[in-house]
Amino acid sequence: GIQVEQSPPDLILQEGANSTLRCNFSDSVNNLQWFHQNPWGQLINLFYIPSGTKQNGRLSATTVATERYSLLYISSSQTTDSGVYFCAVVITQGGSEKLVFGKGTKLTVNP
Amino acid sequence: KAGVTQTPRYLIKTRGQQVTLSCSPISGHRSVSWYQQTPGQGLQFLFEYFSETQRNKGNFPGRFSGRQFSNSRSEMNVSTLELGDSALYLCASSLGPQGALYEQYFGPGTRLTVT
Repeated sequence: GIQVEQSPPDLILQEGANSTLRCNFSDSVNNLQWFHQNPWGQLINLFYIPSGTKQNGRLSATTVATERYSLLYISSSQTTDSGVYFCAVVITQGGSEKLVFGKGTKLTVNP
Repeated sequence: KAGVTQTPRYLIKTRGQQVTLSCSPISGHRSVSWYQQTPGQGLQFLFEYFSETQRNKGNFPGRFSGRQFSNSRSEMNVSTLELGDSALYLCASSLGPQGALYEQYFGPGTRLTVT
């Protein structure tokens, strides 16, 4: 099956720093989403981005589907950015679509 | 518009028991998917329902089942609970009918502990 690899697995930053999270996938996909999992476990939608670049405040994402990777940029990080960031790709299997998740990047932002 | 809701939020069960979890999708969403999250296996797809039909199922034993009602609300059931079923169970909804081709929105999850 498709492999989704996220890097780095862990990242520790000082408040105000910038960071780039990467998601590589091993096969063509129908779509891609980035999520932030808060400390209570809820997955918060960040980007729905099959290709191109999107920006939302201090966050932006770029997906290059032909090269099978996506990047999530966090600028001027804040302590509230801490948590786990997941990349999930959409594949078609068994007649419908499903999300396949990477293992996540755990981000810690220190004050 | 209200988000995806899941009940209960926390649950403690004993090995061998069964459990039913509930998910109410965002109003107007007709596709509901379920995922299991554990520290060892990460987030794994369980099944997806659209119009009361299971359209896709992940690689889980038959003890895991689900259903969807005419109002798009969904339930999942785990019978004969095992210690390894302890996990965060997440429900996601989307407009459908092409399931995850539409943006998926997740509920807060049900944290199940099996003792």
